[in-house]
Amino acid sequence: NAGVTQTPKFRILKIGQSMTLQCTQDMNHNYMYWYRQDPGMGLKLIYYSVGAGITDKGEVPNGYNVSRSTTEDFPLRLELAAPSQTSVYFCASSYLRATGELFFGEGSRLTVL
Amino acid sequence: DQQVKQNSPSLSVQEGRISILNCDYTNSMFDYFLWYKKYPAEGPTFLISISSIKDKNEDGRFTVFLNKSAKHLSLHIVPSQPGDSAVYFCAASASEGGSEKLVFGKGTKLTVNP
Repeated sequence: NAGVTQTPKFRILKIGQSMTLQCTQDMNHNYMYWYRQDPGMGLKLIYYSVGAGITDKGEVPNGYNVSRSTTEDFPLRLELAAPSQTSVYFCASSYLRATGELFFGEGSRLTVL
Repeated sequence: DQQVKQNSPSLSVQEGRISILNCDYTNSMFDYFLWYKKYPAEGPTFLISISSIKDKNEDGRFTVFLNKSAKHLSLHIVPSQPGDSAVYFCAASASEGGSEKLVFGKGTKLTVNP
Protein backbone atom coordinates (compact mmCIF):
# COMPACT_ATOMS: atom_id res chain seq x y z
CA ASN A 1 0.00 0.00 0.00
CA ALA A 2 2.62 2.55 -1.15
CA GLY A 3 0.46 5.63 -1.92
CA VAL A 4 2.72 8.51 -3.02
CA THR A 5 6.44 7.74 -3.15
CA GLN A 6 9.12 10.42 -3.45
CA THR A 7 12.81 9.98 -4.07
CA PRO A 8 15.33 10.98 -2.92
CA LYS A 9 14.48 11.84 0.69
CA PHE A 10 17.56 14.02 1.09
CA ARG A 11 19.90 15.70 -1.38
CA ILE A 12 22.62 18.32 -1.25
CA LEU A 13 23.31 20.22 -4.47
CA LYS A 14 25.89 22.75 -5.44
CA ILE A 15 24.80 26.03 -6.98
CA GLY A 16 24.20 25.58 -10.69
CA GLN A 17 23.69 21.83 -10.58
CA SER A 18 20.51 20.20 -11.84
CA MET A 19 18.48 17.31 -10.52
CA THR A 20 15.11 15.59 -10.73
CA LEU A 21 12.85 14.78 -7.82
CA GLN A 22 10.86 11.66 -8.59
CA CYS A 23 7.23 11.14 -7.61
CA THR A 24 5.10 8.06 -8.20
CA GLN A 25 1.59 7.24 -7.06
CA ASP A 26 -0.18 3.91 -7.27
CA MET A 27 -3.73 5.08 -6.62
CA ASN A 28 -4.61 5.89 -10.25
CA HIS A 29 -5.20 9.53 -9.32
CA ASN A 30 -5.53 12.00 -12.16
CA TYR A 31 -4.43 15.05 -10.17
CA MET A 32 -0.85 15.47 -9.01
CA TYR A 33 0.92 18.39 -7.36
CA TRP A 34 4.34 19.60 -6.30
CA TYR A 35 4.58 21.83 -3.24
CA ARG A 36 7.51 23.34 -1.42
CA GLN A 37 7.60 24.21 2.26
CA ASP A 38 10.08 26.73 3.58
CA PRO A 39 10.73 26.99 7.34
CA GLY A 40 7.81 28.59 9.17
CA MET A 41 5.82 28.87 5.99
CA GLY A 42 2.89 27.09 4.49
CA LEU A 43 2.93 24.93 1.42
CA LYS A 44 3.42 26.77 -1.85
CA LEU A 45 2.24 25.16 -5.10
CA ILE A 46 4.97 24.85 -7.73
CA TYR A 47 3.28 22.91 -10.54
CA TYR A 48 0.28 20.67 -10.90
CA SER A 49 -1.18 18.24 -13.41
CA VAL A 50 -4.78 17.27 -14.07
CA GLY A 51 -3.86 14.20 -16.10
CA ALA A 52 -1.22 12.62 -18.28
CA GLY A 53 0.17 15.13 -20.76
CA ILE A 54 -1.32 18.15 -18.99
CA THR A 55 0.62 20.38 -16.61
CA ASP A 56 0.23 23.92 -15.36
CA LYS A 57 2.07 26.43 -13.23
CA GLY A 58 1.29 27.05 -9.63
CA GLU A 59 2.25 29.92 -7.39
CA VAL A 60 6.06 29.56 -7.50
CA PRO A 61 7.10 27.82 -10.77
CA ASN A 62 10.29 29.74 -11.58
CA GLY A 63 13.38 27.54 -11.69
CA TYR A 64 11.41 24.31 -12.05
CA ASN A 65 9.99 22.14 -14.80
CA VAL A 66 7.65 19.16 -14.77
CA SER A 67 6.36 16.51 -17.12
CA ARG A 68 3.51 14.01 -16.88
CA SER A 69 3.95 11.24 -19.41
CA THR A 70 2.02 8.67 -17.37
CA THR A 71 -0.75 8.77 -14.77
CA GLU A 72 1.62 7.39 -12.15
CA ASP A 73 4.68 9.62 -12.48
CA PHE A 74 5.17 13.36 -12.00
CA PRO A 75 8.88 14.27 -11.81
CA LEU A 76 10.04 17.76 -10.82
CA ARG A 77 13.17 19.06 -12.53
CA LEU A 78 15.39 21.71 -10.96
CA GLU A 79 17.60 23.46 -13.46
CA LEU A 80 20.57 25.56 -12.30
CA ALA A 81 19.97 25.10 -8.58
CA ALA A 82 20.06 28.23 -6.42
CA PRO A 83 20.20 28.64 -2.61
CA SER A 84 16.61 29.98 -2.73
CA GLN A 85 15.51 26.49 -3.76
CA THR A 86 16.63 25.06 -0.45
CA SER A 87 13.37 23.67 0.88
CA VAL A 88 11.32 20.57 1.60
CA TYR A 89 9.43 19.40 -1.45
CA PHE A 90 6.18 17.46 -1.26
CA CYS A 91 4.46 15.61 -4.03
CA ALA A 92 0.74 14.97 -3.68
CA SER A 93 -2.06 13.37 -5.62
CA SER A 94 -5.84 13.41 -5.51
CA TYR A 95 -8.70 11.60 -7.16
CA LEU A 96 -10.96 14.59 -7.28
CA ARG A 97 -9.74 18.11 -7.94
CA ALA A 98 -8.28 20.35 -5.27
CA THR A 99 -11.49 20.07 -3.28
CA GLY A 100 -10.72 16.45 -2.69
CA GLU A 101 -8.38 14.96 -0.19
CA LEU A 102 -4.73 15.23 -1.16
CA PHE A 103 -2.41 12.33 -0.43
CA PHE A 104 1.14 13.52 0.23
CA GLY A 105 4.47 11.82 -0.06
CA GLU A 106 6.94 11.93 2.83
CA GLY A 107 8.87 14.84 1.35
CA SER A 108 12.30 15.45 -0.14
CA ARG A 109 14.67 17.75 1.74
CA LEU A 110 16.88 19.65 -0.69
CA THR A 111 19.81 21.84 0.31
CA VAL A 112 21.61 24.01 -2.24
CA LEU A 113 25.05 25.21 -1.16
CA ASP B 1 -0.91 38.72 0.04
CA GLN B 2 -1.70 35.81 2.29
CA GLN B 3 -5.18 34.52 1.53
CA VAL B 4 -5.24 31.95 4.32
CA LYS B 5 -3.92 33.05 7.69
CA GLN B 6 -3.15 31.08 10.79
CA ASN B 7 -2.11 33.77 13.20
CA SER B 8 -0.98 31.52 16.03
CA PRO B 9 2.31 29.80 15.22
CA SER B 10 1.99 27.58 18.26
CA LEU B 11 -0.48 26.36 20.86
CA SER B 12 0.08 24.35 24.02
CA VAL B 13 -2.70 22.53 25.87
CA GLN B 14 -3.03 19.92 28.60
CA GLU B 15 -4.06 16.38 27.80
CA GLY B 16 -7.83 15.97 28.08
CA ARG B 17 -8.56 19.65 27.46
CA ILE B 18 -9.92 21.24 24.30
CA SER B 19 -7.57 22.46 21.56
CA ILE B 20 -8.88 25.25 19.34
CA LEU B 21 -6.95 26.12 16.21
CA ASN B 22 -8.02 29.14 14.22
CA CYS B 23 -7.84 30.11 10.57
CA ASP B 24 -8.93 33.25 8.70
CA TYR B 25 -9.27 33.75 4.98
CA THR B 26 -9.63 36.77 2.77
CA ASN B 27 -10.85 35.37 -0.56
CA SER B 28 -14.65 35.28 -0.60
CA MET B 29 -14.53 32.84 -3.52
CA PHE B 30 -13.22 30.07 -1.25
CA ASP B 31 -15.95 27.50 -0.76
CA TYR B 32 -14.17 24.43 0.54
CA PHE B 33 -11.88 24.22 3.54
CA LEU B 34 -9.64 21.47 4.81
CA TRP B 35 -7.38 20.78 7.76
CA TYR B 36 -4.19 18.77 7.40
CA LYS B 37 -2.01 17.39 10.15
CA LYS B 38 1.74 17.01 9.80
CA TYR B 39 4.20 15.11 11.96
CA PRO B 40 7.95 15.83 11.69
CA ALA B 41 9.66 14.17 8.72
CA GLU B 42 6.32 13.08 7.27
CA GLY B 43 3.99 14.47 4.64
CA PRO B 44 0.76 16.20 5.65
CA THR B 45 -2.28 13.96 6.08
CA PHE B 46 -5.87 14.97 5.58
CA LEU B 47 -7.84 15.42 8.78
CA ILE B 48 -11.26 16.95 8.15
CA SER B 49 -12.99 19.24 5.68
CA ILE B 50 -16.04 21.46 5.39
CA SER B 51 -18.01 22.87 2.51
CA SER B 52 -19.25 26.45 2.60
CA ILE B 53 -22.85 25.21 2.59
CA LYS B 54 -22.28 23.91 6.12
CA ASP B 55 -21.24 25.62 9.32
CA LYS B 56 -20.07 22.55 11.20
CA ASN B 57 -18.56 19.16 10.45
CA GLU B 58 -17.69 16.58 13.04
CA ASP B 59 -15.51 13.48 12.92
CA GLY B 60 -14.89 11.80 16.23
CA ARG B 61 -12.83 14.10 18.43
CA PHE B 62 -12.41 16.64 15.62
CA THR B 63 -14.93 19.33 14.73
CA VAL B 64 -14.51 22.13 12.24
CA PHE B 65 -16.65 25.25 12.47
CA LEU B 66 -17.09 27.72 9.62
CA ASN B 67 -18.25 31.32 10.02
CA LYS B 68 -18.60 32.64 6.48
CA SER B 69 -19.57 36.17 7.42
CA ALA B 70 -16.39 36.48 9.48
CA LYS B 71 -14.33 34.48 6.97
CA HIS B 72 -13.15 32.37 9.87
CA LEU B 73 -12.90 28.69 10.60
CA SER B 74 -11.70 26.78 13.61
CA LEU B 75 -10.71 23.23 14.42
CA HIS B 76 -11.70 21.87 17.82
CA ILE B 77 -10.05 18.77 19.25
CA VAL B 78 -11.79 17.28 22.27
CA PRO B 79 -10.31 15.70 24.29
CA SER B 80 -6.76 16.49 23.25
CA GLN B 81 -4.25 13.65 23.37
CA PRO B 82 -0.42 13.70 23.30
CA GLY B 83 -0.55 11.97 19.89
CA ASP B 84 -2.32 15.06 18.54
CA SER B 85 0.93 17.02 18.89
CA ALA B 86 1.72 18.06 15.31
CA VAL B 87 1.58 21.00 12.95
CA TYR B 88 -1.93 21.72 11.66
CA PHE B 89 -2.44 23.41 8.32
CA CYS B 90 -5.62 25.10 7.22
CA ALA B 91 -6.28 25.06 3.46
CA ALA B 92 -8.93 26.51 1.17
CA SER B 93 -10.03 26.21 -2.43
CA ALA B 94 -12.49 27.87 -4.79
CA SER B 95 -14.57 25.69 -7.10
CA GLU B 96 -15.51 28.49 -9.49
CA GLY B 97 -13.18 29.32 -12.34
CA GLY B 98 -11.89 25.77 -12.57
CA SER B 99 -9.22 26.38 -9.98
CA GLU B 100 -7.39 23.24 -9.06
CA LYS B 101 -5.40 24.82 -6.30
CA LEU B 102 -5.42 24.58 -2.55
CA VAL B 103 -4.09 27.59 -0.67
CA PHE B 104 -2.42 26.72 2.62
CA GLY B 105 -1.87 28.70 5.78
CA LYS B 106 1.51 28.72 7.54
CA GLY B 107 0.45 26.19 10.11
CA THR B 108 0.00 26.05 13.88
CA LYS B 109 2.19 23.79 15.97
CA LEU B 110 0.07 22.07 18.61
CA THR B 111 1.72 20.58 21.67
CA VAL B 112 -0.42 18.46 23.98
CA ASN B 113 1.24 17.98 27.34
CA PRO B 114 0.60 14.78 29.33
